[in-house]
Amino acid sequence: DTAVSQTPKYLVTQMGNDKSIKCEQNLGHDTMYWYKQDSKKFLKIMFSYNNKELIINETVPNRFSPKSPDKAHLNLHINSLELGDSAVYFCASSQVDSGNEQFFGPGTRLTVL
Amino acid sequence: SQQGEEDPQALSIQEGENATMNCSYKTSINNLQWYRQNSGRGLVHLILIRSNEREKHSGRLRVTLDTSKKSSSLLITASRAADTASYFCATDANDYKLSFGAGTTVTVRA
Repeated sequence: DTAVSQTPKYLVTQMGNDKSIKCEQNLGHDTMYWYKQDSKKFLKIMFSYNNKELIINETVPNRFSPKSPDKAHLNLHINSLELGDSAVYFCASSQVDSGNEQFFGPGTRLTVL
Repeated sequence: SQQGEEDPQALSIQEGENATMNCSYKTSINNLQWYRQNSGRGLVHLILIRSNEREKHSGRLRVTLDTSKKSSSLLITASRAADTASYFCATDANDYKLSFGAGTTVTVRA
């Protein structure tokens, strides 16, 4: 009964490859997010979706394409992976009109070789 | 850009001592939240304080908010080894996102 789940937990791939990370939440929240945490632990918002609609895109390269098939899912597809994409990616969800307390997934550690 | 800045960057204390960390931010906020991140894990929400509140308690946690100084503090009393983690403040400016600080790494020594 995990609240926010992500797969895979680890992803090791070569430069230039395309990869996807999946996220699901069973909390009934209306808003989902993708964050990137770098090696210095800075956590930066990438995308936010409210009821399947993109509402925040924080100047992320268009190699990153989020997709929200329904309110409970927000997937992240990354094309032409680069070394600088290596980081931990966190999915989160919240109910914005209830204080916006966010629930985070366990993270996906992406390593690009 | 980072909205919140935590201070100190790292803190090492003895079990049983109190740990205090501070957060400063730049713009008007709807609320401020504190999160904990254990090594290799996702962030866990600890406490939320609204802009019209000055102090809030939750168990061994005490949070203060001074909107005139745009700052907040998190106090953990009677620390335990299990409190070893990174602590992040995050500000909600009512714009569908949280802006996180760089975090304070707390080490509690047995």
